[in-house]
Amino acid sequence: GQNIDQPTEMTATEGAIVQINCTYQTSGFNGLFWYQQHAGEAPTFLSYNVLDGLEEKGRFSSFLSRSKGYSYLLLKELQMKDSASYLCAVRDRDYQLIWGAGTKLIIKP
Amino acid sequence: GAVVSQHPSWVICKSGTSVKIECRSLDFQATTMFWYRQFPKQSLMLMATSNEGSKATYEQGVEKDKFLINHASLTLSTLTVTSAHPEDSSFYICSASGTSDTYEQYFGPGTRLTVT
Repeated sequence: GQNIDQPTEMTATEGAIVQINCTYQTSGFNGLFWYQQHAGEAPTFLSYNVLDGLEEKGRFSSFLSRSKGYSYLLLKELQMKDSASYLCAVRDRDYQLIWGAGTKLIIKP
Repeated sequence: GAVVSQHPSWVICKSGTSVKIECRSLDFQATTMFWYRQFPKQSLMLMATSNEGSKATYEQGVEKDKFLINHASLTLSTLTVTSAHPEDSSFYICSASGTSDTYEQYFGPGTRLTVT
């Protein structure tokens, strides 16, 4: 079967750095996505990785290792507004998105 | 660019009635639209994928006669929840992919359905 694993919940301090990991086992691979979802709202796109390596976009970076079936989302200089769920999703060989359950990130002052 | 709207943003209906939710791509043509359902504190669950002009492909366990999807144009898809029951109460989200093979799905703001 297809599976995406990410931690259920993480806590971090304002101004710090946090890394959210995602491991996957899917039928084929056509890219990995990270989305941010605030409570009661639809997800918003954060990043896309299809090749190995690090993609940096402002305070957010995303890393991919296809051989290890592993990705992480790195958030720097955490702000209170970063409190949200972070969803990892992998597009399989049929171009279907397989979603992780999401990681709830709690930022404390 | 790449804005997707949904209407209504929230709706309350009585058990047994039908509710239609619209999903529109405002500034691009969406060849493929996706409908998701999300229960509280759970991840997104794909319900169906629809391509303009053809029948939707439903995920296993989703009743196609209960959740009617119509993708009549490149900018509009509708989801009709027929004979709604309280267990259908959920957050319904649509997303759309454009014609230029964008790798990104653009999400609508979601519709919160409460069935009493």
